[in-house]
Amino acid sequence: GAVVSQHPSRVICKSGTSVKIECRSLDFQATTMFWYRQFPKQSLMLMATSNEGSKATYEQGVEKDKFLINHASLTLSTLTVTSAHPEDSSFYICSARTGVGPTDTQYFGPGTRLTVL
Amino acid sequence: AQSVTQLGSHVSVSEGALVLLRCNYSSSVPPYLFWYVQYPNQGLQLLLKYTSAATLVKGINGFEAEFKKSETSFHLTKPSAHMSDAAEYFCAVARNSGGSNYKLTFGKGTLLTVNP
Repeated sequence: GAVVSQHPSRVICKSGTSVKIECRSLDFQATTMFWYRQFPKQSLMLMATSNEGSKATYEQGVEKDKFLINHASLTLSTLTVTSAHPEDSSFYICSARTGVGPTDTQYFGPGTRLTVL
Repeated sequence: AQSVTQLGSHVSVSEGALVLLRCNYSSSVPPYLFWYVQYPNQGLQLLLKYTSAATLVKGINGFEAEFKKSETSFHLTKPSAHMSDAAEYFCAVARNSGGSNYKLTFGKGTLLTVNP
């Protein structure tokens, strides 16, 4: 099956620093990539949607200047958490999809656990 | 707006017992529904999806779900639980976000524990 990887799997940083998370589709080209965050024992909340070569579309309430998304190619998207603070600590999960239709499967990465001290 | 509601944040069953995880949807148009499973500290894996082709959908690992329009439900079942089924399960609906773009909206999840 299709595989999506994320790197790093876990990161601890100091408050005020920036952290970059990479998401790669390993064996397919993703027309669309999604970034979610998940708090403990809660559901996934969509942060933004990105298409290769275009600006990401952010969900309401998500600060685009804080969560920078770059979709450089059909197999790579990055999420940069700028000037991270403890409240940004969360589990970040990316997802990639080949098509745009409602039944096109989204493949999820294993997630990145961010801890901001 | 399309949404899903999962009834029961935690379900506990004995090994070998029937698994029933409930999901109800709200949609003004025919929905596209999904069940995903998440193992600890991992991403989500698709179990099955409803695309209106058949009301009874069979997925991986012995799971299946039945779409019932009259009850606006898409409950997930498995006849006999295994210890390896212990995980978090999410129901999701694909909502149109404009044009031909669709995004998934997830329920709050149901934690399944399997007792030996």
